[in-house]
Amino acid sequence: GENVEQHPSTLSVQEGDSAVIKCTYSDSASNYFPWYKQELGKGPQLIIDIRSNVGEKKDQRIAVTLNKTAKHFSLHITETQPEDSAVYFCAASLRGNYQLIWGAGTKLIIKP
Amino acid sequence: DAGVIQSPRHEVTEMGQEVTLRCKPISGHNSLFWYRQTMMRGLELLIYFNNNVPIDDSGMPEDRFSAKMPNASFSTLKIQPSEPRDSAVYFCASSHSFSSDTQYFGPGTRLTVL
Repeated sequence: GENVEQHPSTLSVQEGDSAVIKCTYSDSASNYFPWYKQELGKGPQLIIDIRSNVGEKKDQRIAVTLNKTAKHFSLHITETQPEDSAVYFCAASLRGNYQLIWGAGTKLIIKP
Repeated sequence: DAGVIQSPRHEVTEMGQEVTLRCKPISGHNSLFWYRQTMMRGLELLIYFNNNVPIDDSGMPEDRFSAKMPNASFSTLKIQPSEPRDSAVYFCASSHSFSSDTQYFGPGTRLTVL
């Protein structure tokens, strides 16, 4: 079955710098890769997703890149701000399949 | 929209007691998920409903766990009897349809079993 590995488990960056979180997946059939942000005391919320027919997607300060050959995808956050501090989860699935396979999460700390 | 609503937000109970967690999905969504989150195991899918019908309950850890969805606007997750290892945050999520990818999570219920 599908397995998703996420690194690093904790990432501390200076406010204003960029942050990159990486995930690898095992099932080459997976074609949908969402990223969720979980703030303290809240449920995960979708922030961006990418499908396997594109290599990169941007939304303001966040972007996701996908390398299907290497089976990895990354979340990039530029110009980090204090409100970016949270736990970020990557996931993978077959589009239209209800089951998301989740990474273990990355705790992002933004230092003032 | 109010989003996914869960109650209670916090529950503290003693081992052996029955616990019932409640969820109201987003109106119009016909897929509902129950997840459990712990530090050790991360996010685990417990059960998935589509159009009020349980489709996949392979993640339900034991017979002590049961879930129902009597109508499109309400679901319960019950643990009977509860054990300390059930302590976790339980999330309910809903999505628009079977083929819709985005899952909208509720705020979760933090369960502590003493």
